Amino acid sequence: NAGVTQTPKFQVLKTGQSMTLQCAQDMNHNSMYWYRQDPGMGLRLIYYSASEGTTDKGEVPNGYNVSRLNKREFSLRLESAAPSQTSVYFCASRASGRSPRGNEKLFFGSGTQLSVL
Amino acid sequence: AQSVTQLGSHVSVSEGALVLLRCNYSSSVPPYLFWYVQYPNQGLQLLLKYTTGATLVKGINGFEAEFKKSETSFHLTKPSAHMSDAAEYFCAVSGLSGNTPLVFGKGTRLSVIA
Repeated sequence: NAGVTQTPKFQVLKTGQSMTLQCAQDMNHNSMYWYRQDPGMGLRLIYYSASEGTTDKGEVPNGYNVSRLNKREFSLRLESAAPSQTSVYFCASRASGRSPRGNEKLFFGSGTQLSVL
Repeated sequence: AQSVTQLGSHVSVSEGALVLLRCNYSSSVPPYLFWYVQYPNQGLQLLLKYTTGATLVKGINGFEAEFKKSETSFHLTKPSAHMSDAAEYFCAVSGLSGNTPLVFGKGTRLSVIA
């Protein structure tokens, strides 16, 4: 039972390089999210997708793009990485189906530790 | 708009002592409230959640939290701390719609001293 799978687990980039963080869930969830975690800042929402075919900006979207490839997959792209994007990135999902309920549990991946030099 | 404030970025308790982690929320609609725990080098796991009904919510590992609307609080407690409770704890709030993302507090790191 894989749940939410993120790849890669670790990545080091040079300033200006691009990369895509991959996320896939096998729970048939409609909603998927990308958060970043920085010391003393908690988790901040970058982008989310409430359902397949839709994406919305979160609190800190600048410098990122997302693609909801299908119901399972939600990728996060850094087009030109900057040192300020050094962080731990978490993907999460929850059911939120035809009768969306805000009380549903979020399932998290194990995170991607990204360093931008 | 919704937000949560966690009082204290770091709390230290002795093994066997009471654990109290504080969370206050702001919400324009009746909130759903959550506590998540993060162990080192892992993702977040749900400890407990408040939706409707009973205001005292019991979670895993002996933790519980009480929703107090008058105080806009959702503090997390455990009567007796164990070494394995050392982790980072996050309070979060959500609105009525599942399409509304969770908003997290900045976290409280709990240390347990032998």
